[in-house]
Amino acid sequence: DSGVTQTPKHLITATGQRVTLRCSPRSGDLSVYWYQQSLDQGLQFLIQYYNGEERAKGNILERFSAQQFPDLHSELNLSSLELGDSALYFCASSPPVLSIGGTEAFFGQGTRLTVV
Amino acid sequence: AQSVAQPEDQVNVAEGNPLTVKCTYSVSGNPYLFWYVQYPNRGLQFLLKYITGDNLVKGSYGFEAEFNKSQTSFHLKKPSALVSDSALYFCAVRDGYSSASKIIFGSGTRLSIRP
Repeated sequence: DSGVTQTPKHLITATGQRVTLRCSPRSGDLSVYWYQQSLDQGLQFLIQYYNGEERAKGNILERFSAQQFPDLHSELNLSSLELGDSALYFCASSPPVLSIGGTEAFFGQGTRLTVV
Repeated sequence: AQSVAQPEDQVNVAEGNPLTVKCTYSVSGNPYLFWYVQYPNRGLQFLLKYITGDNLVKGSYGFEAEFNKSQTSFHLKKPSALVSDSALYFCAVRDGYSSASKIIFGSGTRLSIRP
């Protein structure tokens, strides 16, 4: 168990709908990252937050948005869903950057989104 | 921009033989390199990392990785493969050591160990 919790584990929804994925980072971790993994694909970096602020953005669609709350949990909002948005969405967290060795990220189990 | 390349989509090895999964990187400063493993329907598990120091890094499950600055490589190795090592392996690089640094992953290599 990595200590990163993602809910829900599975989500099935129709095209055009909006969903929210939730992530609770490990205790003490300030950074949260979101990744998308399509079937048999690599991990696409979406967005990163550090202590409530957006710090890095990857190939995230305009239909997608995220935020990190004061308690450090994060939510990824996906709207106007399309069939191609079906994927595994992973959240990861890492410790404060100044901690020795605090460089790697720890992953949650992911949310499998199926758009029908 | 920083990037990571895993040139092999699939690596097939017989059980008991040594294995190598290749990774090359491109970063503008000092590289912070990682290997992760993903089993079916699971999240990614951290295996090992290189930050500084000894070029041979030892990690979980008997895996090790060799950092080669001149070749900008960070290949994952194991002296004797097990069937249970079959999984998807990702190489990754952090593009800095600031709160704005992100971790970029390679495309992944599927490792298949035959009995």
